[in-house]
Amino acid sequence: NAGVTQTPKFQVLKTGQSMTLQCAQDMNHEYMSWYRQDPGMGLRLIHYSVGAGITDQGEVPNGYNVSRSTTEDFPLRLLSAAPSQTSVYFCASMGRPRSPSKTQYFGPGTRLLVL
Amino acid sequence: SQQGEEDPQALSIQEGENATMNCSYKTSINNLQWYRQNSGRGLVHLILIRSNEREKHSGRLRVTLDTSKKSSSLLITASRAADTASYFCATDPTYSGAGSYQLTFGKGTKLSVIP
Repeated sequence: NAGVTQTPKFQVLKTGQSMTLQCAQDMNHEYMSWYRQDPGMGLRLIHYSVGAGITDQGEVPNGYNVSRSTTEDFPLRLLSAAPSQTSVYFCASMGRPRSPSKTQYFGPGTRLLVL
Repeated sequence: SQQGEEDPQALSIQEGENATMNCSYKTSINNLQWYRQNSGRGLVHLILIRSNEREKHSGRLRVTLDTSKKSSSLLITASRAADTASYFCATDPTYSGAGSYQLTFGKGTKLSVIP
């Protein structure tokens, strides 16, 4: 299994541009989520999904859209990039949402720079 | 807002020494997890301790949980250079209920193990 994969690894955008960060998992996990990691801030939840067709907002959803058309894929869209969205983005997945453990598996991250 | 807060923010020790990191949180929890992040990589799950457990071991890792003080500690014994990484605690708050799937991460402790 490849686990959780993310593309691209690194991206530079100009202010106002849009782009999609890709995330895929091959573990048949129901739950997927997107976090951003900023220096001194830890990880903050952007959006999450508990299954195909179901998404919800996390702590910092503004400026981002998500969709979940399949179990495997959970893309994150930046509608109009801003310098404040410069960050490292991590996708994570979890097997059974009602599992008592809630252990999450993380992708390698996408480093985004918005100029 | 951040639920878990790690202490210290940074820790530097000699190889072979023990490393202790602490995590404090604010609300009642179902469980608490520790994750490790090597530089430039995604987070990797280390260990989970449930709210009704006081201590748990996994190899060189020892985790304690004091729910009355809302705190946890992670002890790494006989540290190695390969243990150099950032360590995060993540809490699963009880207020989230059975239908929620969110973990809340702290800001992390950066551990440096000097050979």
